[in-house]
Amino acid sequence: GAVVSQHPSWVICKSGTSVKIECRSLDFQATTMFWYRQFPKQSLMLMATSNEGSKATYEQGVEKDKFLINHASLTLSTLTVTSAHPEDSSFYICSARDPGKKLFFGSGTQLSVL
Amino acid sequence: QKEVEQNSGPLSVPEGAIASLNCTYSDRGSQSFFWYRQYSGKSPELIMSIYSNGDKEDGRFTAQLNKASQYVSLLIRDSQPSDSATYLCAVIPPTSGTYKYIFGTGTRLKVLA
Repeated sequence: GAVVSQHPSWVICKSGTSVKIECRSLDFQATTMFWYRQFPKQSLMLMATSNEGSKATYEQGVEKDKFLINHASLTLSTLTVTSAHPEDSSFYICSARDPGKKLFFGSGTQLSVL
Repeated sequence: QKEVEQNSGPLSVPEGAIASLNCTYSDRGSQSFFWYRQYSGKSPELIMSIYSNGDKEDGRFTAQLNKASQYVSLLIRDSQPSDSATYLCAVIPPTSGTYKYIFGTGTRLKVLA
């Protein structure tokens, strides 16, 4: 299947700092990428749809000023958690849709905010 | 009614048995269906996709789709302890302009050695 790379795998930061997570489609171009969040033992929650060259579309209840998404190229989308707080600690996962419309996930980023 | 529904489980089966995972969806016009496997602390990985009514087999996995009844299932033959994971059903509803997947909450499978 298609390969989606996500970095970093885990990050620990102090409260109030910003954290950037990168998501790359390695062997295909992705005009659309998706960002999810998952708390322990809970289901995936879609945060936003990242569109290359345009603004991201955020799901209801997700603060766009807190979770900044940039999709500057057909192979890279970034999620920046600004002024992170302990309640932002979670498993963040990106995904990209390949030309066959199948969705492939990155390996995820475990964020811990102290 | 949730758009995609799954029994959260856990579903426990003995090693070597057939595990049967079910999923129902609400949007009758949905055309694309997927099963993902997620191990604890890891991201989901695609197992199967199915688009037409009937069965689709891939190794020990068989996906079954019945659009009239709006359900899709996943059978795992000769279940192994390594199959123990959460299985997510995903559907692309016809109204999704960007092919946004709708995921179920997942069924936790335990294969007992």
